[in-house]
Amino acid sequence: DVKVTQSSRYLVKRTGEKVFLECVQDMDHENMFWYRQDPGLGLRLIYFSYDVKMKEKGDIPEGYSVSREKKERFSLILESASTNQTSMYLCASSLSGVEQPQHFGDGTRLSIL
Amino acid sequence: LAKTTQPISMDSYEGQEVNITCSHNNIATNDYITWYQQFPSQGPRFIIQGYKTKVTNEVASLFIPADRKSSTLSLPRVSLSDTAVYYCLVGDISNRGSTLGRLYFGRGTQLTVWP
Repeated sequence: DVKVTQSSRYLVKRTGEKVFLECVQDMDHENMFWYRQDPGLGLRLIYFSYDVKMKEKGDIPEGYSVSREKKERFSLILESASTNQTSMYLCASSLSGVEQPQHFGDGTRLSIL
Repeated sequence: LAKTTQPISMDSYEGQEVNITCSHNNIATNDYITWYQQFPSQGPRFIIQGYKTKVTNEVASLFIPADRKSSTLSLPRVSLSDTAVYYCLVGDISNRGSTLGRLYFGRGTQLTVWP
């Protein structure tokens, strides 16, 4: 079974801090994704990576950056955290190919105070 | 931009068949339609996927009409454990350049199954 592991289930940070969210997958998937999930808004794509060091902006990349130095690891970085970035963050991975389903981690609930 | 529209919520009783419809009027030629299920405090989990006509697996069926502007997830004989949020995903990430607007999850349908 595919396992996608997010480093923290809950995280509390302060405004202005640089925040790192880590995600690791164990199935050699080419694609990795970061989403945020907010009540009433569903899942919105922040960034997508299709290979090591390759990334594409999703629908809401502002205020975020990503890093993929190794195939199994995809990091989301909040350069200077703000209160409107308080949310549930979900990481996913998939094989390459448009028809491949995504496998999700259980999320990190991030609170910015 | 293949945005999706689903009902916000649905109610059912145990043992009934449930059909959840997703509208995606701007679906593109390369887009697949994928449904996910999400329980509280968990990430979404893949249920079923299709491109056209009908697809069936051990847990659900997916009906897609010829024009592909909508799709219907069918859950036969639901139980209490099927209470969850169901998401319809339409999109294509095969072309490089920008993922902006090409993977749209939508807001999900909260299904509540009553005894």
